[in-house]
Parts: sequence; C-alpha cells; structure tokens
Amino acid sequence: NAGVTQTPKFQVLKTGQSMTLQCAQDMNHNSMYWYRQDPGMGLRLIYYSASEGTTDKGEVPNGYNVSRLNKREFSLRLESAAPSQTSVYFCASKPQGSNTGELFFGEGSRLTVL
Amino acid sequence: AQSVTQLGSHVSVSEGALVLLRCNYSSSVPPYLFWYVQYPNQGLQLLLKYTSAATLVKGINGFEAEFKKSETSFHLTKPSAHMSDAAEYFCAVRVNTGRRALTFGSGTRLQVQP
Repeated sequence: NAGVTQTPKFQVLKTGQSMTLQCAQDMNHNSMYWYRQDPGMGLRLIYYSASEGTTDKGEVPNGYNVSRLNKREFSLRLESAAPSQTSVYFCASKPQGSNTGELFFGEGSRLTVL
Repeated sequence: AQSVTQLGSHVSVSEGALVLLRCNYSSSVPPYLFWYVQYPNQGLQLLLKYTSAATLVKGINGFEAEFKKSETSFHLTKPSAHMSDAAEYFCAVRVNTGRRALTFGSGTRLQVQP
C-alpha cells in the first residue's frame, strides 16, 4: 500500500520562484493536512482540508495556497518563494470518521530556497 | 487552545538503560494524546495514542506512556533502550473542538550509546 505519497522529495528554488508540492493518499481518507517541520519547532500546521471542497488556514498559512483537487489529492503552492520557507514539508491524512485524530504521514518534501 | 511542551530537545542513554521522554500538555477540554517517532529522512510514524480508555498505553517497539491528568503529563518510557530506538520523538495533542488538527511539541532527539 502506498499510503500518503508526496512529490517531489527534494527541491531547490531561487527566491521569487513558484512551485507546487503534490500530495496524494490512497486510503479513502476525508481530511488532509500540510505541516512544515523546522529544527526546534516541531511540526506546524500550514493548511488543512476537512473534506473535499473545503480548505482552512492553520498556524502558519502566510505565503502558501492550497488546492483540494479531489478526495485523494491536496497540493501546496508557494507563489513567490522566500528563504524563510526553507523547510521540510509533510502531508498527512486522517481516516474518515476517526474520533481520535490519528494522522498518517508522507515521507516529506525537503525544500531549500536560496 | 491546546499546546504541548517537550522537556529536553536531546536525550542520550546507554543501550539497555531506561528511556524517559517527557511531555506535558495544556488543554481546557479532555485531550487525545499521541507519540510519534521519526527516523532519519522519513515521515512520522505513530508509536501510541491515548484516547481516554486506559491511562497506561502500550505502543509499538516496547514503548509505553502513562496519562496523568493531575500532572497534565504523558511521558514516554521504554525499560531497555536499543540502538534502533535512536530517532526523534514528537508528542502531539488534539481536542474535539475547533480545528481538530494535531498540535505537536518541538521534539526530542534520542541518542543511544553503545
């Protein structure tokens, strides 16, 4: 089973460039999330989508946009990348009807902005 | 709003010694609590979760955690460390109100010495 798949795994951008991180899950989960991980700060929520057709801001949404393309896919877009967006990005999904909120994570996308 | 504090960004133990990783939470409503493990260059994997059933929760790889409401703690323990336990560990909290996403602590890197 693939679970949660993120692409690309590594990316280097120049300041001002744009790019989209792709995420797809094959577990029929309703909710999907984007987190960023920075040293000493744990994981911080950027955006989430409780269900197909809905998206909401998390703790650190500035500089990002998201699209919930369908139930499987949830993409994260950087319109004009900044060095402060250098980070490891994780996509996660939550089983439908889960009361406990356990998340399933992808392997991460490491982004460097020069 | 809920939050999580992990005491100690780095913990070093000898192989065979007790592992104790500390987590304290803040929540105005009953929380769900989680421990995740991250091996180098990988995503996060669920170790165990507290969902208000039993206060002592057993997880994978011999880890367990005890929910103590009076101390607002959910410390992770393992009686005997193994070299393969070297990783970063994250405590996370979720409540059934508002955003319903996981809020993570800053992480504790566990080093196991031979």
